[in-house]
Amino acid sequence: QSVLTQPPSASGTPGQRVTISCSGSSSNIGSNYVYWYQQLPGTAPKLLIYRNNQRPSGVPDRFSGSKSGTSVSLAISGLRSEDEADYYCATWDDSLSANYVFGTGTKVTVL
Amino acid sequence: QVTLRESGPALVKPTQTLTLTCTFSGFSLSTSAMCVSWIRQPPGKALEWLARIDWDDDKYYSTSLKTRLTISKDTSKNQVVLTMTNMDPVDTATYYCARFVITLDYFDYWGQGTLVTVSS
Repeated sequence: QSVLTQPPSASGTPGQRVTISCSGSSSNIGSNYVYWYQQLPGTAPKLLIYRNNQRPSGVPDRFSGSKSGTSVSLAISGLRSEDEADYYCATWDDSLSANYVFGTGTKVTVL
Repeated sequence: QVTLRESGPALVKPTQTLTLTCTFSGFSLSTSAMCVSWIRQPPGKALEWLARIDWDDDKYYSTSLKTRLTISKDTSKNQVVLTMTNMDPVDTATYYCARFVITLDYFDYWGQGTLVTVSS
């Protein structure tokens, strides 16, 4: 069972804004950078956000990340059909010998 | 360009040892800050980090699985090998290898993954 908790699902219609939360603790989110990965159906994950709120080149600015205390959020604005995917938060956990931990994952559905 | 590819058996029996190989190109594991990790994903479930090996041969393992895992590298062949002992049906998953660069602090390239089923 992951130490990072995400809602199992989120949905919206095209053009809407969807927000996904990821809750952790002081030993992981509270003391480390957080990353977001997008996993399209049948494919390997792809980095979406690094160091809490930075976008790699090629990631649209519709995706944004934020952090507050021991929680982080991923927002998708102007939702598009191609955003339908699973999203995972990830970070290090200092209480687990600095293991890398992934969140429980959120399935985003575009209605 | 950077590519990674996982290979290994598609089916293993319970109690057997799994050996997976990650063959990569486009970078060298002898270059400072380069690392390779293994991550798995049971069908319909979340990602789980398993292990990492660094350019300087430092190794890190999942706390919950470390007694069963061994990671190693062959720099000359551009390969990283993961062994997992005492396989169980709950270990059925797609196993990915991914490059991790210390200075970036994230997985920037992933293999396509290989599905391993544990069944008698």
